[in-house]
Amino acid sequence: QVKVQESGPGLVKPSETLSLTCVVSDYSTSGDDYWGWIRQPPGKGLEWIAIINHSGRTYFNPSLKSRLTISIDTSKTQFSVKMTAMTAADEAVYYCVRQVGHGTWYFDLWGRGTLVTVSS
Amino acid sequence: QSALTQPASVSGSPGQSITISCTGTSSDVGSYDRVSWYQHHPGKAPKVMIYEVTKRPSGVSNRFSGSKSGNTASLTISALQAEDEADYYCCSLTIGDTAIFGGGTKLTVL
Repeated sequence: QVKVQESGPGLVKPSETLSLTCVVSDYSTSGDDYWGWIRQPPGKGLEWIAIINHSGRTYFNPSLKSRLTISIDTSKTQFSVKMTAMTAADEAVYYCVRQVGHGTWYFDLWGRGTLVTVSS
Repeated sequence: QSALTQPASVSGSPGQSITISCTGTSSDVGSYDRVSWYQHHPGKAPKVMIYEVTKRPSGVSNRFSGSKSGNTASLTISALQAEDEADYYCCSLTIGDTAIFGGGTKLTVL
């Protein structure tokens, strides 16, 4: 069964960098799909963060772009995101997702999400 | 980049139909047929219910349907069931090749 599963630190300090990884099971990341991240702050709505494809083509949320690095390792079927200068406003459940193909702009596969708390 | 506008809450009785609106601008909803809808039960992974405005993924009940007029997209759920109670989010492609979500709508089945 195709799955995506996030992993990360759970707790980061203000001003530090968050690193999250998503492992894709039973599916190749070398195809036409895009892979990315969406978050949900507590009590708030969903926010799209960024996506990447197998060749490294990326798209970023413009409000977060300056703080983001997204990468993919197709040999390990995993992808990662780094977000610098974390603040309390970045506290959220972070989901990794699959966007079907190129240009479809919908997300058909979601991880269970990982809660990231920002606190000293 | 402001979130798409959704009503904070809607409600309906079992068997009734409800519609959730999602209002954007000519820079997103109005320009692209790349609107999708997600059902989110708290604590679980969101699930795509509608994509490309009107299309239903395999396995999604035909009680769920989508439409769009101008800058506003809509999700209609017919024959409401208790298990439909969840949060619903719309999402659209925007000019500049980014995605934007709505603020979410809490559906209560009375």
